[in-house]
Amino acid sequence: KAGVTQTPRYLIKTRGQQVTLSCSPISGHRSVSWYQQTPGQGLQFLFEYFSETQRNKGNFPGRFSGRQFSNSRSEMNVSTLELGDSALYLCASSGNPGNADTQYFGPGTRLTVL
Amino acid sequence: GNSVTQMEGPVTLSEEAFLTINCTYTATGYPSLFWYVQYPGEGLQLLLKATKADDKGSNKGFEATYRKETTSFHLEKGSVQVSDSAVYFCALSEGGKLSFGAGTTVTVRA
Repeated sequence: KAGVTQTPRYLIKTRGQQVTLSCSPISGHRSVSWYQQTPGQGLQFLFEYFSETQRNKGNFPGRFSGRQFSNSRSEMNVSTLELGDSALYLCASSGNPGNADTQYFGPGTRLTVL
Repeated sequence: GNSVTQMEGPVTLSEEAFLTINCTYTATGYPSLFWYVQYPGEGLQLLLKATKADDKGSNKGFEATYRKETTSFHLEKGSVQVSDSAVYFCALSEGGKLSFGAGTTVTVRA
């Protein structure tokens, strides 16, 4: 089974621009979560989607948004980029959004904002 | 709210040494507990998990036991190898949302 794939792997943007990141979950998985990883703040939960609906949202400003398509693929969008948005963005998929379900992570997208 | 506290690193060990990384948690309900590992330049890989009190997770020689009475999930390995050098994250899942510890960098020297 193919793992979680994320595209692109690396991105360089400038302040004020917007960016869209993509995540394809493991085949058959319907839950997709997004996390931001930075040296200062560590790993922080952004949001989770299940069956095209946002189930959970972390404590991030409205510039961060996401969506999920009927094939379970997910995108996240960051508008009006700031320098502090530079991070590794990780996507994780699981079969169902339960406590006990393991989330499997993709390799991440490294976003650099200049 | 939920939170995870894990031992600060970095930790440097010699091959075949014993490794333990402490992890304690605060949760409102009955979370599942996980250890993830991150190798340089890669995403997170699940190392092991436990879904209820007294469960023991194990994988690749690593073990951790879900202790509800001490709200802990300490990671142990009896004999580490150079290939175990990585960053280790303790995490809890409640409502499908993972909360992570700060990560512990482990370096194993030959």
